[in-house]
Amino acid sequence: DTGVSQNPRHKITKRGQNVTFRCDPISEHNRLYWYRQTLGQGPEFLTYFQNEAQLEKSRLLSDRFSAERPKGSFSTLEIQRTEQGDSAMYLCASSFGPGQSNEKLFFGSGTQLSVL
Amino acid sequence: RKEVEQDPGPFNVPEGATVAFNCTYSNSASQSFFWYRQDCRKEPKLLMSVYSSGNEDGRFTAQLNRASQYISLLIRDSKLSDSATYLCVVNRGSGNTPLVFGKGTRLSVIA
Repeated sequence: DTGVSQNPRHKITKRGQNVTFRCDPISEHNRLYWYRQTLGQGPEFLTYFQNEAQLEKSRLLSDRFSAERPKGSFSTLEIQRTEQGDSAMYLCASSFGPGQSNEKLFFGSGTQLSVL
Repeated sequence: RKEVEQDPGPFNVPEGATVAFNCTYSNSASQSFFWYRQDCRKEPKLLMSVYSSGNEDGRFTAQLNRASQYISLLIRDSKLSDSATYLCVVNRGSGNTPLVFGKGTRLSVIA
């Protein structure tokens, strides 16, 4: 399977703990995105990378959130000092790049985070 | 005004019906438009791109009205398997901006 892979699928943590999620994009894709989705809402953009460069971060992304893509391949999203409001599905997606035909996003299955 | 607005539904339609969803976007500089489908507890998947001239893929037709800044999706001859949430997706202008998702419109096709 050469699709987008995310780990873990589920994460339950206590408030105040740190968590880290991993995303492996489709290998030919230059761009990697992180979105967050809560029940009844569409995916909300968090941040994205072009190769290893982080090009944009949403204002939703507080300083407790950090994302990396060190070698332009896989990416990690870390949340420090988790809060109950961080509970959501964290979706990773990848694409080739700009342009209508290249911007199509391919999503992973997501990591469901529950903060108790 | 929200960047992308959709009627959340739900739309409950019988099998075989034709159903249409609309979506409006706020940024006149937006250049790329898509419809994604999301099944319950699954990730969004690309349904189709939306081109200026309108485009069709089997029972699905997408149209774009740049002057009014809205996008539509028409589903003909609805199947039970079409039951899902349909997400309208738009970029912010240049290719160096992320795609913005609407909240989605829920469709239930009933036997």
